[in-house]
Amino acid sequence: QVQLQESGPGLVKPSETLSLTCAVSGYSISSGYYWGWIRQPPGKGLEWIGSIYHSGSTYYNPSLKSRVTISVDTSKNQFSLKLSSVTAADTAVYYCARHLGLAVAEYWGQGTLVTVSS
Amino acid sequence: EIVLTQSPGTLSLSPGERATLSCRASQSVSSSYLAWYQQKPGQAPRLLIYGASSRATGIPDRFSGSGSGTDFTLTISRLEPEDFAVYYCQQYGSSPPNTFGGGTKVEIK
Repeated sequence: QVQLQESGPGLVKPSETLSLTCAVSGYSISSGYYWGWIRQPPGKGLEWIGSIYHSGSTYYNPSLKSRVTISVDTSKNQFSLKLSSVTAADTAVYYCARHLGLAVAEYWGQGTLVTVSS
Repeated sequence: EIVLTQSPGTLSLSPGERATLSCRASQSVSSSYLAWYQQKPGQAPRLLIYGASSRATGIPDRFSGSGSGTDFTLTISRLEPEDFAVYYCQQYGSSPPNTFGGGTKVEIK
């Protein structure tokens, strides 16, 4: 059974960089699939952030592209999200997921709330 | 960017009733690349349907998806107590970005 677990700071200051890691168990990232990040502001809907293939090919939401970096570490079987220059609008629950194809999130982590505040 | 509009915003039904949820796209979704998710409070979303009509692994057959072009439907044939939740559609034919609808809440009447 594929399992994903997000980790990282729950509080980030404005203008700083949000950094999260997703640890994967039950499946080797290097075996395939796209792996991605989706976020959900409190009480609101879902927003796709981006995804990465095990080879390192990335696809980002154009609205976030200038601030987002997704990377993969196959040796640790994990992938990461960095979002720079954060503001209060980036406060959200961040989910990592294994995708069917490029963008359909088939397996999800439980999510982690990141609050941007001074 | 394709905008997805879900309706109604809230659907009030009783267990055993049929639920019909709509997802309309601002332009045609190529190859019926449309997915549906279910989300319960405090939980991550769960994939129900992809490719407009293919059920994901382990999804009961009371859930079905249909549609093409700009109009898509998720039908729950007979609501079970565990089906009361928020449902989101997502298009991934025009990607990136893929986009989500605003959600439909199915609540107990």
